[in-house]
Parts: sequence; structure tokens; C-alpha cells
Amino acid sequence: AQSVTQLDSQVPVFEEAPVELRCNYSSSVSVYLFWYVQYPNQGLQLLLKYLSGSTLVKGINGFEAEFNKSQTSFHLRKPSVHISDTAEYFCAVGGGAQKLVFGQGTRLTINP
Amino acid sequence: DAMVIQNPRYQVTQFGKPVTLSCSQTLNHNVMYWYQQKSSQAPKLLFHYYDKDFNNEADTPDNFQSRRPNTSFCFLDIRSPGLGDAAMYLCATSRDTQGGSQPQHFGDGTRLSIL
Repeated sequence: AQSVTQLDSQVPVFEEAPVELRCNYSSSVSVYLFWYVQYPNQGLQLLLKYLSGSTLVKGINGFEAEFNKSQTSFHLRKPSVHISDTAEYFCAVGGGAQKLVFGQGTRLTINP
Repeated sequence: DAMVIQNPRYQVTQFGKPVTLSCSQTLNHNVMYWYQQKSSQAPKLLFHYYDKDFNNEADTPDNFQSRRPNTSFCFLDIRSPGLGDAAMYLCATSRDTQGGSQPQHFGDGTRLSIL
């Protein structure tokens, strides 16, 4: 069975500050990890994915994530956030039957 | 650009009146998904099609049905909507993969309101 835990339901940060959104997973099969972003009244957009290889994954909009197998984590980071990064962020794990298991989401709020 | 298109973006229906939501894709992906997403929650998978094979989630109510007449189109039918069915409905697609390594591509959703 697979599961995803996003450790923070809400993260407020000031504009131009760094941010880390935390995600822990469990999986008994091969691990494929994803981060999605959802802006208000829109669908989910893929930020980045980890399939294999380098543990540091770079995505769109200046985001990156690091896969840590020993800590079963896949935290998302950005060195300097903008107002436009205000959104809901979902971590997800794939690995069985073409389905994704999502975390509960982290609402990122950027304050000016 | 290749994409997943959902129509309409907003749908209002009456309690108990059947409603159909539609999804089309130009990605030529063989897997299509329907999710229900309520406010401040993660998307909840209702069912998915692997080509023409329908896969229902165990906890999806019988009130929800789906049709996939061809590769490009997929429909979500709600036979008798209740107030609890008000939500955002998301369609997604992905390529055939071994073990879920391919990302899913989402449409912008249809927000369903029940009067």
C-alpha cells in the first residue's frame, strides 16, 4: 500500500523568502513521486517528478525537490517566492495500477 | 497545444436532475481519470479507463457513471445529484505505463453546484 503525508496544511511566507513544503511517503513498490500545483479554480499542473537517477529534481517556476530514500521524503523548495506562487500544492506517489495517491495538500500563502 | 478540455467550466443543476460532464483530450493518452475534489481537500479518484476497460473505485457511489465512446472523449454522468455531490470534478489523462511512472495531465475542471 502507498500513502503520502504532507506535514503542513498551511504555510505562510513573505515575498522573496525561501520556502520548503514537506512531504513524506510510504510505498511497498517502486517509487515515483510528483509535485502538483493548483491555482484557484483550475486543475492540477505538474511542477516536477522523480522517477529515478539524480535525487535533486528541478521543475518549473524555479521549484526543486529532493528525494531522500532513507527518510522517505520528497520536500519541495524554492529559494525566493513570489506573490504568484500562492496556490495549493499536492505531493503524490505513483507506483501501482496507473493511479496516484495524493497527500492532503499544503496551502502556500505569500504575504507582501 | 495538446491538452485536456473540460466542459462546461461551471454547471448548475437541480437536486435529483441528471447531469453530464464532458472531457476531451488531444494527447492521445490511453488512460483517462475522473476525480471529485471538495473544498480544501485532495482530489478523490472516482474511476478510470485503461483504453476501454472501466475501473471503478470501491467507494464510488452507484450514482456516478462514466462512458468513454472513443480515445478522445470521456463523460461523467451523475444520475440523481444530491447536495453532497457539489464539488469540482477533474478529468485527467496519462500514457500507458508500467507501475504509474507517468504523470497525469489535468483539465481545468467543472465546478458543479446543486440547487
